[in-house]
Amino acid sequence: EAQVTQNPRYLITVTGKKLTVTCSQNMNHEYMSWYRQDPGLGLRQIYYSMNVEVTDKGDVPEGYKVSRKEKRNFPLILESPSPNQTSLYFCASSPGAVGNQPQHFGDGTRLSIL
Amino acid sequence: RKEVEQDPGPFNVPEGATVAFNCTYSNSASQSFFWYRQDCRKEPKLLMSVYSSGNEDGRFTAQLNRASQYISLLIRDSKLSDSATYLCVDNQGGKLIFGQGTELSVKP
Repeated sequence: EAQVTQNPRYLITVTGKKLTVTCSQNMNHEYMSWYRQDPGLGLRQIYYSMNVEVTDKGDVPEGYKVSRKEKRNFPLILESPSPNQTSLYFCASSPGAVGNQPQHFGDGTRLSIL
Repeated sequence: RKEVEQDPGPFNVPEGATVAFNCTYSNSASQSFFWYRQDCRKEPKLLMSVYSSGNEDGRFTAQLNRASQYISLLIRDSKLSDSATYLCVDNQGGKLIFGQGTELSVKP
């Protein structure tokens, strides 16, 4: 089954404790992206990647890192999480290198930073 | 001004009604647009792409007006299952800008 898989689905952690949210897709898509969704602010893009070893900043990259060492995986790293990073996070992928084809979204990861 | 702005919701309509959403974008160079729907904080799902000539998919019609820089979505014969939040998306060469979304509630 074609899918985008995020882990974990839920996480409660404390300020400053490094964490990684994994994202994996099995569709051989070139484009992958991370978003956060907050009430009143909608979905905002954090980082995106058009191909292996190519990553670019979205609208809200501060406090986040990503890597794209292989095509299928695009982990989101919070080196020193803070409470303002409490949010619902979505990973997505699409076939086109510039994301101009429909995005397939993962189920979401709900992060709470205390 | 936000790069992508949508009609504020919620829209409350009876079953069978026709409802229209508008979305304006600020980047005149933008070429690629989508409408997604999102149910209750679940993952967004593609509803339809938006083409310059306008496109229709069953009860749904999307239009793009480049001169006025807006996109519209028309839903005819609303169903209860159409209740969701509708997101307008501007794809700027890989950088995706989402509107805040418009909530639709279809009542019996």
